Amino acid sequence: EDQVTQSPEALRLQEGESSSLNCSYTVSGLRGLFWYRQDPGKGPEFLFTLYSAGEEKEKERLKATLTKKESFLHITAPKPEDSATYLCAVQAGGYSSASKIIFGSGTRLSIRP
Amino acid sequence: DGGITQSPKYLFRKEGQNVTLSCEQNLNHDAMYWYRQDPGQGLRLIYYSQIVNDFQKGDIAEGYSVSREKKESFPLTVTSAQKNPTAFYLCASSKVAGDDEQFFGPGTRLTVL
Repeated sequence: EDQVTQSPEALRLQEGESSSLNCSYTVSGLRGLFWYRQDPGKGPEFLFTLYSAGEEKEKERLKATLTKKESFLHITAPKPEDSATYLCAVQAGGYSSASKIIFGSGTRLSIRP
Repeated sequence: DGGITQSPKYLFRKEGQNVTLSCEQNLNHDAMYWYRQDPGQGLRLIYYSQIVNDFQKGDIAEGYSVSREKKESFPLTVTSAQKNPTAFYLCASSKVAGDDEQFFGPGTRLTVL
């Protein structure tokens, strides 16, 4: 069964304390892995897409990496404004397989000043 | 500004009533999606549409209906057949179905009393 698991469920860090969020997946035919940021009561905001193992992408204090079984979202020297829920999603199968996008339950990140 | 709008932001209905949630986009995207988000769970796909006058069921379509008469609009009706309709509903769009990046609206929080 296709599955996406994010850990930890919640993470509290001090401002400037670097850490990583994990997204492990079990899907048939990975087409892409996506990271989104979601603020409370709002829609998710797209961050990255990763396509193949070994790929990395960066944006400000965030860096996403991908292996054959999991993805990490590394956050370097976070600031309070980085506090949000980070969602991972995986697209499996062939083209136009919108029904095969599977979201994890997210990691709630809280950065204390 | 291009984007996706959802209305209303908060919606209250009595049990047994049908209710329609609005979603409009001015991004000229072909594909549109409806997701449901419950606390502590990932987003689950309700319906998606790849093109005008066409739509497919997602993972949890029972108790919901949609229409796609215009490219810009993809309204979702929550019917009385939906057993547990109280949730946060998110609309999204992408250039084409299966495209990497989905743009999300701000969401509608539906509470059924």
